[in-house]
Amino acid sequence: GESVGLHLPTLSVQEGDNSIINCAYSNSASDYFIWYKQESGKGPQFIIDIRSNMDKRQGQRVTVLLNKTVKHLSLQIAATQPGDSAVYFCAENLGGSQGNLIFGKGTKLSVKP
Amino acid sequence: DTEVTQTPKHLVMGMTNKKSLKCEQHMGHRAMYWYKQKAKKPPELMFVYSYEKLSINESVPSRFSPECPNSSLLNLHLHALQPEDSALYLCASSQGTLPEAFFGQGTRLTVV
Repeated sequence: GESVGLHLPTLSVQEGDNSIINCAYSNSASDYFIWYKQESGKGPQFIIDIRSNMDKRQGQRVTVLLNKTVKHLSLQIAATQPGDSAVYFCAENLGGSQGNLIFGKGTKLSVKP
Repeated sequence: DTEVTQTPKHLVMGMTNKKSLKCEQHMGHRAMYWYKQKAKKPPELMFVYSYEKLSINESVPSRFSPECPNSSLLNLHLHALQPEDSALYLCASSQGTLPEAFFGQGTRLTVV
């Protein structure tokens, strides 16, 4: 289940289950969104992106859904594996070609074997 | 080469020291960034360089001084830092036409 503690929200799932990580973004003018995975002691790693003219994009085992009406983004991970354990951040681009990315608060995904 | 390389990986410095963080990429990216990340928090944008010119400074104190000697290198010069400046400093780069940013592994900075 999902819990919000003193720090990062945490999502615990069983290995093999699907995971859904949610993100609310702030700026209705944002035109591009990215999901990043950050493992302990490492920099953020690009997972998947989506432009504001799309509402769904699929990658390998991952799907991003965008609902511009309610400014909501989600990341679905199919058949979650222990290696998926990390903190996941959504980021919105406030517009323009420069990467002026604003990151969401992050969700810690823990996968139980 | 699809990496952003940051050195050093760890740095401990006193409040009166002067030090520099270095970042290098050889992907031909024309935009480079510095982010600061505190524990259990998201990265926060500090500076953006576009075509070797400073284009965004997110109201960062002057004790942090960025420098972009060429399109592959980005430095962050540190002087008279405070203990609350201790954090993970991340460098990133992007093609400029796409905002997707590739991140380095970061420099873990501790100010004592």
